[in-house]
Amino acid sequence: SAVISQKPSRDICQRGTSLTIQCQVDSQVTMMFWYRQQPGQSLTLIATANQGSEATYESGFVIDKFPISRPNLTFSTLTVSNMSPEDSSIYLCSVPSLDRRLPLYGYTFGSGTRLTVV
Amino acid sequence: LAKTTQPISMDSYEGQEVNITCSHNNIATNDYITWYQQFPSQGPRFIIQGYKTKVTNEVASLFIPADRKSSTLSLPRVSLSDTAVYYCLVGRDSGNTPLVFGKGTRLSVIA
Repeated sequence: SAVISQKPSRDICQRGTSLTIQCQVDSQVTMMFWYRQQPGQSLTLIATANQGSEATYESGFVIDKFPISRPNLTFSTLTVSNMSPEDSSIYLCSVPSLDRRLPLYGYTFGSGTRLTVV
Repeated sequence: LAKTTQPISMDSYEGQEVNITCSHNNIATNDYITWYQQFPSQGPRFIIQGYKTKVTNEVASLFIPADRKSSTLSLPRVSLSDTAVYYCLVGRDSGNTPLVFGKGTRLSVIA
């Protein structure tokens, strides 16, 4: 399975500022996915990042607020821009695990970035 | 993607077997059933996947009846460390489509 290193693990930020979250994968993957998990809630997909093209955003999420970079097949960043307290959440990246023992792919997740906006 | 319904929460004592049932009435012919486990302060972790009948691995068993409209995740002899949220997902994971999570089942294991 792929291994993901996600940084930072947590941060406390002032409102109006921006934070960039990084995910580094130990193998090349075409697709990477970014999720948000609000306190006590399930995961909500923010966007799909395909290397070499613009990210595809889900309803309710826009590029100006959550710009994503995908410069190569092992790395991606998500920026949370102009933050407000409502952006306080855990942000996670995910990739297919490429475990070919499975009939279909399982997915691997980063350990998450816990963001608190004050 | 098929909609799934599972209990919001469950409690269990250590050493007991825990069964979490997921309903997915609209499952499609090519859909697989996959369960993920999420510990506090961690990302979800794949635990088991199946298509029909029974699948067992070192972590859990997955029981799927013939009509595939539900599935049951079975955790044998749970310990405190099994306290987590368990998500049932149904779909055709291809590596190119993202997972869509429902609310999951919060399992609390009590000593």
